[in-house]
Amino acid sequence: ILNVEQSPQSLHVQEGDSTNFTCSFPSSNFYALHWYRWKTAKSPEALFVMTLNGDEKKKGRISATLNTKEGYSYLYIKGSQPEDSATYLCAFNTNAGKSTFGDGTTLTVKP
Amino acid sequence: NAGVTQTPKFQVLKTGQSMTLQCAQDMNHNSMYWYRQDPGMGLRLIYYSASEGTTDKGEVPNGYNVSRLNKREFSLRLESAAPSQTSVYFCASSEMTAPTFGSGTRLTVV
Repeated sequence: ILNVEQSPQSLHVQEGDSTNFTCSFPSSNFYALHWYRWKTAKSPEALFVMTLNGDEKKKGRISATLNTKEGYSYLYIKGSQPEDSATYLCAFNTNAGKSTFGDGTTLTVKP
Repeated sequence: NAGVTQTPKFQVLKTGQSMTLQCAQDMNHNSMYWYRQDPGMGLRLIYYSASEGTTDKGEVPNGYNVSRLNKREFSLRLESAAPSQTSVYFCASSEMTAPTFGSGTRLTVV
């Protein structure tokens, strides 16, 4: 069983704060690491697919980095807004194709 | 471009009743998944299918069966529903990429 861990479990910040959270995954048989944003009553929405050690991806105020050798990825949100409130999931893929999800980090941004 | 389609969106069952949740994808993906989502527990994998004709148990398979009918369709069956199976069920598919999710089925067992 692959172990994908996310921390912290939950986070409460004020509007305008910048924040980051972590996804840890096995460093062997790495194929890809995915980040999702999951808003209440919606389906998870893919944010980034990261495949290479040292990858950095950016989408607006959200960015992510990847270290496959040590088995972690960081997701950063700059200047958090209330609409960023969601659960952020990471998913790890081996080269066998199966995705394993972490439990997520739930972010609440207070106006 | 429908992506992943799940039916029904909502269902209420009585304890002991059976039902099948349907899932179909039009992206020619080999891998398909069924997850359940419970408060505070993230996504838990029920069953996984790497390709047509193959299925594997996930973390929480008890009380469920699946059928990979063809490459497009992956159904989840509850033979005798229990209140512990009250949850939101998501189907997903992927092809060595980030899984794409359906819109979910909210199931209540009373």
